[in-house]
Amino acid sequence: DSGVTQTPKHLITATGQRVTLRCSPRSGDLSVYWYQQSLDQGLQFLIQYYNGEERAKGNILERFSAQQFPDLHSELNLSSLELGDSALYFCASSYDRSQETQYFGPGTRLLVL
Amino acid sequence: GDSVTQMEGPVTLSEEAFLTINCTYTATGYPSLFWYVQYPGEGLQLLLKATKADDKGSNKGFEATYRKETTSFHLEKGSVQVSDSAVYFCALVPRQGGSEKLVFGKGTKLTVNP
Repeated sequence: DSGVTQTPKHLITATGQRVTLRCSPRSGDLSVYWYQQSLDQGLQFLIQYYNGEERAKGNILERFSAQQFPDLHSELNLSSLELGDSALYFCASSYDRSQETQYFGPGTRLLVL
Repeated sequence: GDSVTQMEGPVTLSEEAFLTINCTYTATGYPSLFWYVQYPGEGLQLLLKATKADDKGSNKGFEATYRKETTSFHLEKGSVQVSDSAVYFCALVPRQGGSEKLVFGKGTKLTVNP
């Protein structure tokens, strides 16, 4: 158990819908990262937050957005969903910007029908 | 840009066989290097890491050495077990660029048969 929790574990929805994925980092960790794992793209970095502020963006679509709240949990919002958004979404956390080891949650499996 | 290339799988071995999974990288400066493992139906777990040239990371019988001259970080284990069956990802964190994002290879699926 990494100490990172993600909910829900599975999500099935339809095209055009909007979903929210939630992540609670390990106790004391300030950085949260979101990654997408798909068969064709592999593991791709989406976005990073550090202590409530956006720190870096990767290959994140404009239909996707995220935020980190004062209690340090984070949410990833996916809207206008398409079939191609079906993937495993991972959250990871680390203590600070210099602590490079990231601890991963179990992931949320999203299926868009 | 920064990238990681690892050997294509799948790799199938018998129990107690020797394992090597090749990993090479391209990065500006001197990145930190990682091996993560993903067991079926689970998230990624850190297996080992190395943060500077010639460092050797090791854990659970697995080893990898940071080779700056060949830009490589090959994963090895002397005697694999059935329980080592998983997908292995080589990854780096660039030293430059202002982010600590992980850049992953495509993963190598290992199956160990009894």
